[in-house]
Amino acid sequence: AQSVTQLGSHVSVSEGALVLLRCNYSSSVPPYLFWYVQYPNQGLQLLLKYTSAATLVKGINGFEAEFKKSETSFHLTKPSAHMSDAAEYFCAVISSGGYNKLIFGAGTRLAVHP
Amino acid sequence: EAQVTQNPRYLITVTGKKLTVTCSQNMNHEYMSWYRQDPGLGLRQIYYSMNVEVTDKGDVPEGYKVSRKEKRNFPLILESPSPNQTSLYFCASSLGYTGLNTEAFFGQGTRLTVV
Repeated sequence: AQSVTQLGSHVSVSEGALVLLRCNYSSSVPPYLFWYVQYPNQGLQLLLKYTSAATLVKGINGFEAEFKKSETSFHLTKPSAHMSDAAEYFCAVISSGGYNKLIFGAGTRLAVHP
Repeated sequence: EAQVTQNPRYLITVTGKKLTVTCSQNMNHEYMSWYRQDPGLGLRQIYYSMNVEVTDKGDVPEGYKVSRKEKRNFPLILESPSPNQTSLYFCASSLGYTGLNTEAFFGQGTRLTVV
């Protein structure tokens, strides 16, 4: 069974600092991986997705993630945090061999301080 | 504008009083699903539908029903709500259910409180 582990339920960074949100997955088949962002009182918005085309995936708002098969990781990064990045971030996996059920991590709440 | 619309956004109800949360998408998507979000647990799938009249259970279906009579609508029904169903609910849709069609679009969420 697939699963997703997000290390750190809360991450706090200063404005302008590097953002690193960690995600590890388990999957018996090559996975499709996603990062979603949830701003307060809003639904989930897709940041980026990995579908085996390229290991380094660029998303919206300056975020990117690198798929590392050997580490079963898909960490999300942004070189310079902005106050508007404060939100909750979810990593999710879906099996390429099955129907479309997203398996979500527990989420990481990102706080950005001036 | 392409979107998934849920109603209501907020709902407070009493134990045992039947309720329906509506979900509608305007993207002609085949696949729709319902998730509930609870602190520390992320989102968990309740039910999904691969097309009209085709629905199946997700990971946490107990206490919920769904129907898919039209492609655009996928209502979530709680026949007899209980306090443990207090949660934030999301409807999602995607073009398909395999491969590159799996990008999910989410509604704004429905915050349900059962007292």
